[in-house]
Amino acid sequence: GIQVEQSPPDLILQEGANSTLRCNFSDSVNNLQWFHQNPWGQLINLFYIPSGTKQNGRLSATTVATERYSLLYISSSQTTDSGVYFCAVTMNRDDKIIFGKGTRLHILP
Amino acid sequence: DAGVTQSPTHLIKTRGQQVTLRCSPKSGHDTVSWYQQALGQGPQFIFQYYEEEERQRGNFPDRFSGHQFPNYSSELNVNALLLGDSALYLCASSLGRLETQYFGPGTRLLVL
Repeated sequence: GIQVEQSPPDLILQEGANSTLRCNFSDSVNNLQWFHQNPWGQLINLFYIPSGTKQNGRLSATTVATERYSLLYISSSQTTDSGVYFCAVTMNRDDKIIFGKGTRLHILP
Repeated sequence: DAGVTQSPTHLIKTRGQQVTLRCSPKSGHDTVSWYQQALGQGPQFIFQYYEEEERQRGNFPDRFSGHQFPNYSSELNVNALLLGDSALYLCASSLGRLETQYFGPGTRLLVL
């Protein structure tokens, strides 16, 4: 089946640093979303980005569907950015939704 | 505008029992998807309901079943609970099957 791989699995950064999270997928997809899961388990939608580039404040995302990857950029990290970041894709061939295993981000004060 | 709500927030059951979890979608949304998230893992897609019918299903046994009501709210039923069913169960709603998903806070199920 389709593979969704996220890297790195873990990332520890000092407050103020920038980071790039990557999501690779092995098949063509209808859409791609990035989520942030806070320590209480709540999943917050960050971007709906099947292709192209979007920006929202300190966060931006780029999806290159033809090369089957997406990147999430976080600039000037804050401690509240800590948590797990997931990408989720919806497969073209059967509309099933597949999540990656996530990147666990720790921002140190 | 209320977001996605789920009930109960926590639940403890014993092996072999049955459980029903409930989800109310975000106002205006017509599609509900259910996910199981084990500790330290990403959410696993269980199934999706649209127009009161199951439209897509992940790799879960028939012990997992669901329902969507005319007001778009949904239930997830799990029969014959196993220890391995202990997880966070997440509901997400969207306007249409392929659109942006909004998640509820989840129900934490512990099976003893």
